[in-house]
Amino acid sequence: EAQVTQNPRYLITVTGKKLTVTCSQNMNHEYMSWYRQDPGLGLRQIYYSMNVEVTDKGDVPEGYKVSRKEKRNFPLILESPSPNQTSLYFCASSLGENTEAFFGQGTRLTVV
Amino acid sequence: EDQVTQSPEALRLQEGESSSLNCSYTVSGLRGLFWYRQDPGKGPEFLFTLYSAGEEKEKERLKATLTKKESFLHITAPKPEDSATYLCAVAGRQGGSEKLVFGKGTKLTVNP
Repeated sequence: EAQVTQNPRYLITVTGKKLTVTCSQNMNHEYMSWYRQDPGLGLRQIYYSMNVEVTDKGDVPEGYKVSRKEKRNFPLILESPSPNQTSLYFCASSLGENTEAFFGQGTRLTVV
Repeated sequence: EDQVTQSPEALRLQEGESSSLNCSYTVSGLRGLFWYRQDPGKGPEFLFTLYSAGEEKEKERLKATLTKKESFLHITAPKPEDSATYLCAVAGRQGGSEKLVFGKGTKLTVNP
């Protein structure tokens, strides 16, 4: 079954404690991206990757890091989380940026 | 900068009452306009991609159309199961960027 898998689904952490949210896809897609979704602000792109070792900033990259060492995986790293990063995060993958995207189930992150 | 504005923010319909959702966009070189459906607590689910003005696509009770400035998602004789938030997104050709920009969505409620 074609899918994008994110882990964990829920996470509560404290300010400053480094964390990683994993994302994996099994469709051999080249384009992967991370979004955060906040009430009243909609989905905003954090980072995207066009292929292995190629990443670029989206609209809200501050406070986040990503890496793309393998085609199937695109982890999101928060090196020093802050409360304003409390949000619902989605990973997505697609053949390209202008083709159908498949989204993961979401990760609800709370930073206290 | 690419921008997407969706209206209305929320829409309540009676079952069988047809209507349209609007997505106005500003983009440098449209590479694709997308419609997604999102149910509460879940990731967006792909509906349509439109690539050029005049293009139309249909799926069951939904029909998407595209002009040079906006897209409409027409819902014919909706059912309660069509209740969801509908998201519009654009992929533009902005200085080599491969970003995808989403609107804030229209929350549709269909009452039986």
